[in-house]
Amino acid sequence: TQLLEQSPQFLSIQEGENLTVYCNSSSVFSSLQWYRQEPGEGPVLLVTVVTGGEVKKLKRLTFQFGDARKDSSLHITAAQPGDTGLYLCAGAGGSEKLVFGKGTKLTVNP
Amino acid sequence: EPEVTQTPSHQVTQMGQEVILRCVPISNHLYFYWYRQILGQKVEFLVSFYNNEISEKSEIFDDQFSVERPDGSNFTLKIRSTKLEDSAMYFCASSPTPGAMGNSPLHFGNGTRLTVT
Repeated sequence: TQLLEQSPQFLSIQEGENLTVYCNSSSVFSSLQWYRQEPGEGPVLLVTVVTGGEVKKLKRLTFQFGDARKDSSLHITAAQPGDTGLYLCAGAGGSEKLVFGKGTKLTVNP
Repeated sequence: EPEVTQTPSHQVTQMGQEVILRCVPISNHLYFYWYRQILGQKVEFLVSFYNNEISEKSEIFDDQFSVERPDGSNFTLKIRSTKLEDSAMYFCASSPTPGAMGNSPLHFGNGTRLTVT
């Protein structure tokens, strides 16, 4: 069974701080996707990483896929209140299903 | 931007009743999915659907569940006899190319909250 563990589960920081969220597994994934979910809404894709060691940047967000394709991280620089939300990682392991982590609930206080 | 739409947003039903959750995927998408999220738990895969047939299903998707694309635009999930443990948020998703296998993003709807009493 493929599992994705996200840490931390909850994170509350002040505006302007940096943070990193981790997504780890003992399984290899062909790709990892990061989604953001707002209350009452469905997950919205932020980025897909495919190649081991890949780094992708989306404004203040930096995503990295581990060399062995078992883990990923999301780093946010100078967090803003608008970054508040639930961040989910999801792995594709060669079948049709995405395996989701439980998510990191981020709160950025003004 | 095109969206996946789901109705109703909230459905309350009694245990043992049948429910049908409805989804309109993005119009040029070919791959369709149902996921569910029990409160406080992970988003879980239920089923994928392509070319008018189920391509993959999880162990959750037992004989009580079925999916259908009745008219080329709607994509429905039916639960024949609901149980208390079916209470969850159900998300429909679609993709123009194979989602997970093709490393393509899934476009999710805003979900239907199903409450079984």
